[in-house]
Amino acid sequence: GENVEQHPSTLSVQEGDSAVIKCTYSDSASNYFPWYKQELGKRPQLIIDIRSNVGEKKDQRIAVTLNKTAKHFSLHITETQPEDSAVYFCAAFRYRGGGNKLTFGTGTQLKVEL
Amino acid sequence: DSGVTQTPKHLITATGQRVTLRCSPRSGDLSVYWYQQSLDQGLQFLIQYYNGEERAKGNILERFSAQQFPDLHSELNLSSLELGDSALYFCASGYTNEQFFGPGTRLTVL
Repeated sequence: GENVEQHPSTLSVQEGDSAVIKCTYSDSASNYFPWYKQELGKRPQLIIDIRSNVGEKKDQRIAVTLNKTAKHFSLHITETQPEDSAVYFCAAFRYRGGGNKLTFGTGTQLKVEL
Repeated sequence: DSGVTQTPKHLITATGQRVTLRCSPRSGDLSVYWYQQSLDQGLQFLIQYYNGEERAKGNILERFSAQQFPDLHSELNLSSLELGDSALYFCASGYTNEQFFGPGTRLTVL
């Protein structure tokens, strides 16, 4: 089955700096890659996603890049703010014969320090 | 607010007991997904239903079962509960690829 690896597990940056979180996936048929932000005790929230026919997508301070050949995708957050502190999960999705399965990475705890 | 609702918010029960978690999807979403989130396990996919039918299974224990009703709400039944079943249980709903999560049910097994 699909396996998604996520690095780093923790990331500490100074306010205003950039943060990068990287994921690799194993199933070359995966075609949709969302990123979720989860604050402590709350639900995961979809913050950005990318489909396999696109190499890069940007939404204000966040961007995602996808390298299908390397089976690698990354989340980039620029001008980080304290409210960006949370756990971020990447995921890979493959449509499988009527069933959809989203496989999550293990999460990155991002801490933005003042 | 994602539009996905889950009840109850918290549940405390004893080992060996059975509980039912409920999820109502966003209006128009036919798919419901259940996930378990433990401290050391991240987000684990359990099962997916689409318009009343089971469509995909993940790491769901035999003690756990789910169903989706004609009005598209879903229930996750957990039986013979063990201490290790203590976790946050999320449901998510979606129409195509995107999945939107509910607020979760925190289950504590004592």
